[in-house]
Amino acid sequence: EAGVAQSPRYKIIEKRQSVAFWCNPISGHATLYWYQQILGQGPKLLIQFQNNGVVDDSQLPKDRFSAERLKGVDSTLKIQPAKLEDSAVYLCASSSTSGGAQETQYFGPGTRLLVL
Amino acid sequence: GEDVEQSLFLSVREGDSSVINCTYTDSSSTYLYWYKQEPGAGLQLLTYIFSNMDMKQDQRLTVLLNKKDKHLSLRIADTQTGDSAIYFCAETWAGSARQLTFGSGTQLTVLP
Repeated sequence: EAGVAQSPRYKIIEKRQSVAFWCNPISGHATLYWYQQILGQGPKLLIQFQNNGVVDDSQLPKDRFSAERLKGVDSTLKIQPAKLEDSAVYLCASSSTSGGAQETQYFGPGTRLLVL
Repeated sequence: GEDVEQSLFLSVREGDSSVINCTYTDSSSTYLYWYKQEPGAGLQLLTYIFSNMDMKQDQRLTVLLNKKDKHLSLRIADTQTGDSAIYFCAETWAGSARQLTFGSGTQLTVLP
């Protein structure tokens, strides 16, 4: 079974530019998460999708960040315009919705963003 | 609100046991997790424990949960150099839609 795929792996941009990250979850996983991991910290949830609907985007800085999962499969996270403090690793995770009380989240390798 | 705290660094000798500690604040935690992150990689789930359990053992890993003190620990027996990584504890809690709240991670260094 293929894991969570993310691209690009690395991105360097200047502040005020825009950038987009892509994630393809494990096949059949209904729930998809985007996390931001700043150096030296644990991942923090930005947005959670179930199929093509948003479950929670309360931690997403909506003035500059947007995300979509139009067909309920892969997802794109965009930052426009980027700020220096957006430098981080952006992790995508997915989980099945089996109805069980515990649903493991599987993480992709992440996209490392550096804003200069 | 919820908060998860971990010590930042731990060094052990190869072959010794490692114990990584974590405290959490939310009494409604349902599941508690340990993830491993190697350099440049995503997070790998190591093990998890349901909040009504005290202990879970999985090969070299032992998880202990003290609900009264809201303290979680991960013991790695016979620690190897390949265990060097950052270890994160994380929790989900009732009403969280299964979202994870992570600690800041503990950097484990295994010395030869």
